[in-house]
Amino acid sequence: GDSVTQMEGPVTLSEEAFLTINCTYTATGYPSLFWYVQYPGEGLQLLLKATKADDKGSNKGFEATYRKETTSFHLEKGSVQVSDSAVYFCALSDGFNKFYFGSGTKLNVKP
Amino acid sequence: GAGVSQSPSNKVTEKGKDVELRCDPISGHTALYWYRQSLGQGLEFLIYFQGNSAPDKSGLPSDRFSAERTGGSVSTLTIQRTQQEDSAVYLCASSLFSGSSETQYFGPGTRLLVL
Repeated sequence: GDSVTQMEGPVTLSEEAFLTINCTYTATGYPSLFWYVQYPGEGLQLLLKATKADDKGSNKGFEATYRKETTSFHLEKGSVQVSDSAVYFCALSDGFNKFYFGSGTKLNVKP
Repeated sequence: GAGVSQSPSNKVTEKGKDVELRCDPISGHTALYWYRQSLGQGLEFLIYFQGNSAPDKSGLPSDRFSAERTGGSVSTLTIQRTQQEDSAVYLCASSLFSGSSETQYFGPGTRLLVL
């Protein structure tokens, strides 16, 4: 069945460091891919998405490219800030209104 | 504007009791989703509604779990004869339309503890 695997955390970085959070997926069809973020004390919210191969989603300095050849959707940011500290979830939708989430990666950014 | 709300925010119950969890979606959102997040795990998809209909209930963990949605708005997730393994955070989300590319808006969750 469809699934998402993302790197385990926590990931600890210094401010202004480069961030990569790996996400790979397994899907039988043509999924849409998402990154959701959960800031401390808040609910999950959409960070970015991509709906077809080679699409790049971007928001708040974060980017992820839908790579069908490597079944990946890695999240990147060139320079993280303390305010980016949160839990990041990679997710896919199978096209039949079922959504599959990874287990989340906690990011800690130190000043 | 008002987001997705869930109640109660926390629920402690004894094994064997029934519990009801409520979700109020964003007004006008036609699709509603329920997820379960166990400690250290990702979100587990339970069920979704398009309007008042749930086309696919296969994500519900057992026949002790049921869900309904009335008036295309409020949804209730009911767990009968709760077990300790039901302890988790139950999240509700809504989206304007159903569809694989739609953005979901999540509620704060109900934290359920079964003793």
